[in-house]
Amino acid sequence: EVQLVESGGGLVQPGRSLKLSCAASGFTFSNFYMAWVRQAPKEGLEWVATISTHGTTTYYPDSVRGRFTISRNNAKSSLYLQMSSLKPEDTATYYCSRHETRMGLDYWGQGVMVTVSS
Amino acid sequence: DIQMTQSPASLSASLGETVSIECLTSEGISNDLAWYQQKSGKSPQLLIYTTSRLQDGVPSRFSGSGSGTRYSLKISGMQPEDEGDYFCQQSYKYPLTFGSGTKLEIK
Repeated sequence: EVQLVESGGGLVQPGRSLKLSCAASGFTFSNFYMAWVRQAPKEGLEWVATISTHGTTTYYPDSVRGRFTISRNNAKSSLYLQMSSLKPEDTATYYCSRHETRMGLDYWGQGVMVTVSS
Repeated sequence: DIQMTQSPASLSASLGETVSIECLTSEGISNDLAWYQQKSGKSPQLLIYTTSRLQDGVPSRFSGSGSGTRYSLKISGMQPEDEGDYFCQQSYKYPLTFGSGTKLEIK
């Protein structure tokens, strides 16, 4: 059974940093692209980042490029999102997801809440 | 960026009714379109990918169709467990983009 478990969320002040983690199990982690998607309270879904199987290629939308860094450790079946220069508009639930390119996001974690506020 | 225009924003349906949700894209996406269902307080779940392929375990009352810049999700026979939010999403090019969502409720 595929499982994705996020951790590392919490309350952080604007301008500070936070690192999210996602522990994957139930599939061969190194064979799949992985992604982060966020959802602000009562809002829709926004894709945040994708990383290739070996971490050599990353993709970001303009809204987070230069502030967020996605990375992975295939030996630990783990995905990460380093977030810096956080803004109040980054407040959201962050989901870890398995990304089947051209197909979509086929498995999602339960999500972790990040609140950016002073 | 590819813009996704999803409609309607909300929908109320009776048990057994057939409902449709539409997603228009700002440019052709070569059928790289997925639909997700999100129940209250839960994570999104993939329902349909590549326009019309059902994800494993998804009931056959769900179907997807479309081409070019116009895509739709149909539920043939609304069930209570189908209440939730539905989102379309394109995987044709980065940045991946989502529709704004449709809230589906039982009448």
